[in-house]
Amino acid sequence: SQQGEEDPQALSIQEGENATMNCSYKTSINNLQWYRQNSGRGLVHLILIRSNEREKHSGRLRVTLDTSKKSSSLLITASRAADTASYFCAPMNSGYSTLTFGKGTMLLVSP
Amino acid sequence: NAGVTQTPKFQVLKTGQSMTLQCAQDMNHNSMYWYRQDPGMGLRLIYYSASEGTTDKGEVPNGYNVSRLNKREFSLRLESAAPSQTSVYFCASRPDHGKEKLFFGSGTQLSVL
Repeated sequence: SQQGEEDPQALSIQEGENATMNCSYKTSINNLQWYRQNSGRGLVHLILIRSNEREKHSGRLRVTLDTSKKSSSLLITASRAADTASYFCAPMNSGYSTLTFGKGTMLLVSP
Repeated sequence: NAGVTQTPKFQVLKTGQSMTLQCAQDMNHNSMYWYRQDPGMGLRLIYYSASEGTTDKGEVPNGYNVSRLNKREFSLRLESAAPSQTSVYFCASRPDHGKEKLFFGSGTQLSVL
């Protein structure tokens, strides 16, 4: 399995603003997943985008995937204080069945 | 529906002591995983079990053993705890090995003094 690398490592915004975080990976993938971790809790799956998809939406979340650049981005629109958490991407290779997580992006949304 | 349940939530050990971290899922998932999370290191896979009766090493298996007791339960054992094993441990499960989405427990915070 391969590890995604999230950027930036930390992001601080005001409520109502949009938050964008990026993920880069090294080899071809079958899909890429995004997870959220609230402080002191386990990871929660947010969204999965497959290699043949370019964009996917779920509520206030928008994920894009550029396989030519081996990168993905997660956009959270109209952020709320409750969005404060760490966000992890997890690229999944074809044929691999374990997920590896990077260091994540720590998002702080201030009221 | 409880999902993935880990016990205990907190544990303090002395160097050299042994203990078992318990994990159980009630979603009838085939695959189960143990990760550790350290500050600045992300999550690292310790061991996983693709199905009942099978286990495989992950990225950082040294110092740990696992048992897939049945389909529901996957335990992680530290035979002789070391300060380097101070970490937060997460158990996760997935319906089938190779299916995508992971479900995580709430973690066990372990300190080894």
